[in-house]
Amino acid sequence: KQEVTQIPAALSVPEGENLVLNCSFTDSAIYNLQWFRQDPGKGLTSLLLIQSSQREQTSGRLNASLDKSSGRSTLYIAASQPGDSATYLCAAPVTGTASKLTFGTGTRLQVTL
Amino acid sequence: EAQVTQNPRYLITVTGKKLTVTCSQNMNHEYMSWYRQDPGLGLRQIYYSMNVEVTDKGDVPEGYKVSRKEKRNFPLILESPSPNQTSLYFCASSPLQGTDTQYFGPGTRLTVL
Repeated sequence: KQEVTQIPAALSVPEGENLVLNCSFTDSAIYNLQWFRQDPGKGLTSLLLIQSSQREQTSGRLNASLDKSSGRSTLYIAASQPGDSATYLCAAPVTGTASKLTFGTGTRLQVTL
Repeated sequence: EAQVTQNPRYLITVTGKKLTVTCSQNMNHEYMSWYRQDPGLGLRQIYYSMNVEVTDKGDVPEGYKVSRKEKRNFPLILESPSPNQTSLYFCASSPLQGTDTQYFGPGTRLTVL
C-alpha cells in the first residue's frame, strides 16, 4: 500500500528565499509523481509531473526532483514570492494501479514580506 | 476554456435528504474521479471512472454512488447523507488514466446537519 508523507506540515519564509518542500513515499515502484498547489478554498492545480525515467522536471521557478531508490521527491521554489503562499501537495500512484493516486496531507507555505 | 465544473459550490442539507453534486469536464478526458478532503486526512478518493459506463470504488466509497452515462459528466450521489459526509468534495479528470496530470474542479463544500 502506498503511503505519502510531507514534512513539514507548515513553513514560513521571508520573500526572496529559496526553499525546498519534501515528499516521501513508501513504494518506490512508481512510474510518476505529481506536485499540486492548493489555494485556500480552491481546487488543486497541477504544477509538475515527473516520470520515473526522469530525475527532475522544471517549470519557471519550480523544480521537482524524484529519487525512487530513496522514496523521496523534492519541490524547489526559487526566489519565493508572497503569491507562492499556498498548500503544496504531492501524489504518487497507488501500488500496482494506473487508476489511483495517494496524496500527502500537504505543506502549507507562507511567504512573508 | 478547458475546465472541470462542479455544482453546487456550497450546499447545506439535512440528514437523509438525497442530493446530487454534478461534475462536468470539457476536455474529452477518459478518466474522472471524486475525492473528499478533510482536515488532517488529506484527499481521499471516493469513486473513479476509466471510461463511459465503467466505474470503480476508491478508498472511501461507503454512502456514495456515481454514474458515467456520458463522457463529460460524472455526478456524485448521496442517497441518504449523514453528518460524517460533511466535507469538501473535488471532482477531477485526466486524459487517460489516474496517473496522468489531473485537472481539478473548484470544489463543493457540503454540510449535512
